[in-house]
Amino acid sequence: ILNVEQSPQSLHVQEGDSTNFTCSFPSSNFYALHWYRWETAKSPEALFVMTLNGDEKKKGRISATLNTKEGYSYLYIKGSQPEDSATYLCAFTYGNNRLAFGKGNQVVVIP
Amino acid sequence: DGGITQSPKYLFRKEGQNVTLSCEQNLNHDAMYWYRQDPGQGLRLIYYSQIVNDFQKGDIAEGYSVSREKKESFPLTVTSAQKNPTAFYLCASSIDGGQYYEQYFGPGTRLTVT
Repeated sequence: ILNVEQSPQSLHVQEGDSTNFTCSFPSSNFYALHWYRWETAKSPEALFVMTLNGDEKKKGRISATLNTKEGYSYLYIKGSQPEDSATYLCAFTYGNNRLAFGKGNQVVVIP
Repeated sequence: DGGITQSPKYLFRKEGQNVTLSCEQNLNHDAMYWYRQDPGQGLRLIYYSQIVNDFQKGDIAEGYSVSREKKESFPLTVTSAQKNPTAFYLCASSIDGGQYYEQYFGPGTRLTVT
């Protein structure tokens, strides 16, 4: 099982502040890197699927970057809002059909 | 409304009993997956299926079995051989088994075995 590390494990952010967190993954045999948002009492929802080194993707106030050579991805939340409170999951694609998930970054936005 | 349904939301069983968790999707997706979540751990892959009548073991398949007789359905049976069955189980699907396609998740079933 591949090791996907997410840090920090949890963070509290003041409403209006921006924040970011990291996903580290094996840099060899890279296929794709997924980000999902999992709100309490809901199902995980896909944010981004990133495939190319240097990729940058954006959805509203959330954006992500990808560095496949060094094996990391950053997720940024600009101007955090209470509805951004969730656990953000990073998953690394390996083999055929397989996703290796990190433990998640739990974000709590304080009004 | 397209999506994935899992039932029931909560399931309680006695130790030694087999139990089957339901997963249905109406997204016309070829690939389906079962994951398990335990406290403090990431989602772990139990089984996956790329097409009907085909499925593959994931990283923690021991004590579990699946079937894929219909495209829409991918039930998971937790057998009495699974040593620690109490967990939260998530089902997911994707358009096909390619690595570049996002997965769509169901709401999950929390299984408690006593």
